Amino acid sequence: AQSVTQLGSHVSVSEGALVLLRCNYSSSVPPYLFWYVQYPNQGLQLLLKYTSAATLVKGINGFEAEFKKSETSFHLTKPSAHMSDAAEYFCAVSVDTGANSKLTFGKGITLSVRP
Amino acid sequence: ETGVTQSPTHLIKTRGQQVTLRCSSQSGHNTVSWYQQALGQGPQFIFQYYREEENGRGNFPPRFSGLQFPNYSSELNVNALELDDSALYLCASSRQGMNTEAFFGQGTRLTVV
Repeated sequence: AQSVTQLGSHVSVSEGALVLLRCNYSSSVPPYLFWYVQYPNQGLQLLLKYTSAATLVKGINGFEAEFKKSETSFHLTKPSAHMSDAAEYFCAVSVDTGANSKLTFGKGITLSVRP
Repeated sequence: ETGVTQSPTHLIKTRGQQVTLRCSSQSGHNTVSWYQQALGQGPQFIFQYYREEENGRGNFPPRFSGLQFPNYSSELNVNALELDDSALYLCASSRQGMNTEAFFGQGTRLTVV
């Protein structure tokens, strides 16, 4: 069975500062990894995905993540935070090569951005 | 291209009642998955439907059931509602194949009183 651990439930950064949201996974087979963002009272929007191609994945809104097999990590970063980045962020793993929609999510991290 | 739409957006039910939630998948997608997201938690996988049949299920009791229709839309039915069923229910659509991804609807907020 696969699992995801997101360290810390809340991260606060200043506008313009580096954003780093951590995600570690556990999987017995090569995983597919995803980061989703959720704004209040909204569904989930895909930021980026890793599907065994390049280990450094670039996503929307300036976010990127690096797959590190040796560390079983898939941390999300953004060089400069914007106020509009304030939201809930979820890391997810899938071992479903069918449709990548049997996802196991972490508990999420709330990102706050200070002016 | 239309996105994933869910109805209703909000719903209040009484404990013991039954509820049906609906999801229209994105154009070109043939697979629908349902998730339950309790307050302050990550979504949890309920089940997936492909070709009108259940194609995988999470750790949810049988009173959670579903359907997929020929047009790939889907329903989630919950019988004998319990207070703990209060949550945001998310539908995700995708298509079978390598290197795909799931697209989520905005969810249905169910409150059981």
